[in-house]
Amino acid sequence: QITLKESGPTLVKPTQTLTLTCTFSGFSLSSSGVGVGWIRQPPGKALEWLALIYWDNDKRYSPSLKSRLTITKDTSKNQVVLTMTNVDPVDTATYYCAHSLYYYTSGQNWYFDLWGRGTLVTVSS
Amino acid sequence: SYELTQPLSVSVALGQTARITCGGNNIGSKNVHWYQQKPGQAPVLVIYRDSNRPSGIPERFSGSNSGNTATLTISRAQAGDEADYYCQVWDSSTVGVFGGGTKLTVL
Repeated sequence: QITLKESGPTLVKPTQTLTLTCTFSGFSLSSSGVGVGWIRQPPGKALEWLALIYWDNDKRYSPSLKSRLTITKDTSKNQVVLTMTNVDPVDTATYYCAHSLYYYTSGQNWYFDLWGRGTLVTVSS
Repeated sequence: SYELTQPLSVSVALGQTARITCGGNNIGSKNVHWYQQKPGQAPVLVIYRDSNRPSGIPERFSGSNSGNTATLTISRAQAGDEADYYCQVWDSSTVGVFGGGTKLTVL
């Protein structure tokens, strides 16, 4: 059974760095074709994809946030960490991590088949 | 950057068929995935690779994709299908992309 759980601060001040941890079980992030993605959702708004880390440690970032995001994995601990620098109140959102599956059809493709429950992060002074 | 366009809301009578669209430039050349999100809950994958249902998703949920429009079809709509629905693609230039979401109301 695959499970994922997000953890991190609930309140962060503007300009600080946000660090979120996704702790998972039921799969290995060293298995070919597997990844972990981060997606966020501001209150009352749509989902926004942020970053994804591949089984082979390749990484992808949202172009609009690339300069502020870093995603890493610790396979031995079954954890994926997302850091976001210089946060702003517009970064207030529920942050989800998701088990991601890769396939190749006319290019790389990923989808998110299982999600954590999410963690609400508020950016405010 | 690649964009996906969804209607803000769709209404369907109980027991009838709901169709939720997802528009994008030549989206038929990409694979589309659909997620259901009920209030206060995490999204759930309901359709992947245009038309495949994960285990546990009712056969009432189906998907298609052609030209500039992908469609999620929910047959025999039930009250429990009320939710927000999001389409998603993986674009080589923009990477992960979600549509703006559609709120489905079952009347």
